[in-house]
Amino acid sequence: AQSVTQLDSQVPVFEEAPVELRCNYSSSVSVYLFWYVQYPNQGLQLLLKYLSGSTLVKSINGFEAEFNKSQTSFHLRKPSVHISDTAEYFCAVTIGAAGNKLTFGGGTRVLVKP
Amino acid sequence: GAVVSQHPSRVICKSGTSVKIECRSLDFQATTMFWYRQFPKQSLMLMATSNEGSKATYEQGVEKDKFLINHASLTLSTLTVTSAHPEDSSFYICSALTGNTEAFFGQGTRLTVV
Repeated sequence: AQSVTQLDSQVPVFEEAPVELRCNYSSSVSVYLFWYVQYPNQGLQLLLKYLSGSTLVKSINGFEAEFNKSQTSFHLRKPSVHISDTAEYFCAVTIGAAGNKLTFGGGTRVLVKP
Repeated sequence: GAVVSQHPSRVICKSGTSVKIECRSLDFQATTMFWYRQFPKQSLMLMATSNEGSKATYEQGVEKDKFLINHASLTLSTLTVTSAHPEDSSFYICSALTGNTEAFFGQGTRLTVV
């Protein structure tokens, strides 16, 4: 079975500073990787995903993540955060064909301070 | 992107009663939907996989007689929490697959059992 570890449960960061959210996974087979964002009392929104091809994937709002197979990681980064980026971020994996059930990490709460 | 609507967003019920939560894919057909449970400040835990026209597949430890799932059409899955107790209070989230590559999430339902 696969598992996902998000090393930081909470990350405080000042506005306009960079942020990195770490995600490591374990799986004996190939995986597909996702980052989701959750605002308070809301469902999850997909930020970005890696299915195949280029290992660096980007979202439309400035986030990017790099798939590193040798280190089994999929860290999320943003060079300059905004107050509106305050949210919970979840890393998730699925095995086999993309779209199978997701296994989530524990989540990282990002608190952007002015 | 595709839209998944979950209803109600909040519900308070008395202990011993049953509550039904609906998950609808508004602009696509979803042969597979997933139901997750999220405790405060924790990650999402998959409860069951719902396939249209067949019985749901429950994860280990989830009581199928307590959490009844019905996927009667390609756009609707329902989760009924039967004989609810305070420990069933939680945030329930559904997701629906488009094709085989991406899951879209509903906005979640906060259930409080008093």
